[in-house]
Amino acid sequence: AQSVTQLDSHVSVSEGTPVLLRCNYSSSYSPSLFWYVQHPNKGLQLLLKYTSAATLVKGINGFEAEFKKSETSFHLTKPSAHMSDAAEYFCVVSPSVGSSASKIIFGSGTRLSIRP
Amino acid sequence: GAVVSQHPSWVICKSGTSVKIECRSLDFQATTMFWYRQFPKQSLMLMATSNEGSKATYEQGVEKDKFLINHASLTLSTLTVTSAHPEDSSFYICSAGTALSYGYTFGSGTRLTVV
Repeated sequence: AQSVTQLDSHVSVSEGTPVLLRCNYSSSYSPSLFWYVQHPNKGLQLLLKYTSAATLVKGINGFEAEFKKSETSFHLTKPSAHMSDAAEYFCVVSPSVGSSASKIIFGSGTRLSIRP
Repeated sequence: GAVVSQHPSWVICKSGTSVKIECRSLDFQATTMFWYRQFPKQSLMLMATSNEGSKATYEQGVEKDKFLINHASLTLSTLTVTSAHPEDSSFYICSAGTALSYGYTFGSGTRLTVV
């Protein structure tokens, strides 16, 4: 069985300061892990994904995440927040090898607010 | 990259009418499409999984007669909300992928308001 936990429902940072959005997962096999961003009334945009290659994954818009198997974590970071980063972020876990009916599990989401 | 188009982006309908939402994979063939429902300030709730050419698999608690899903081709899946009621008002999002893809691409979502 798989599950994913986003530890913070809301994170607020000042513009120009670092961002840390936390995600822990559990999986009975090697999972694929993703971070998606959702702006209000919009669909989900893929920020980055981990698929058993390099443990430090770089994504779009300056975001990156590190897969730590020992800590079962996949935290999302960005060195310097921008006002346009304000959005909802979802951590997602998926079976490592897809099947015809593979399912992905969503975290509950973290709302990121940026203070001017 | 992979693009999924969802249409319409928003729709308002009267109670008792039916609404169809389309999800298209524009530059790849999607063997699997998922339909999600998202309530305000909540995560996505999987409603059903559809594989091209076969019946959709619905999650527990989702009424298959109310939410009709058709995946007639490798590039198109439709969700029809039948006899819509105000409680069906929500944000519906589809995603599409292939059996060997490591990520799923999401549509832009449809805001349904039933009045």
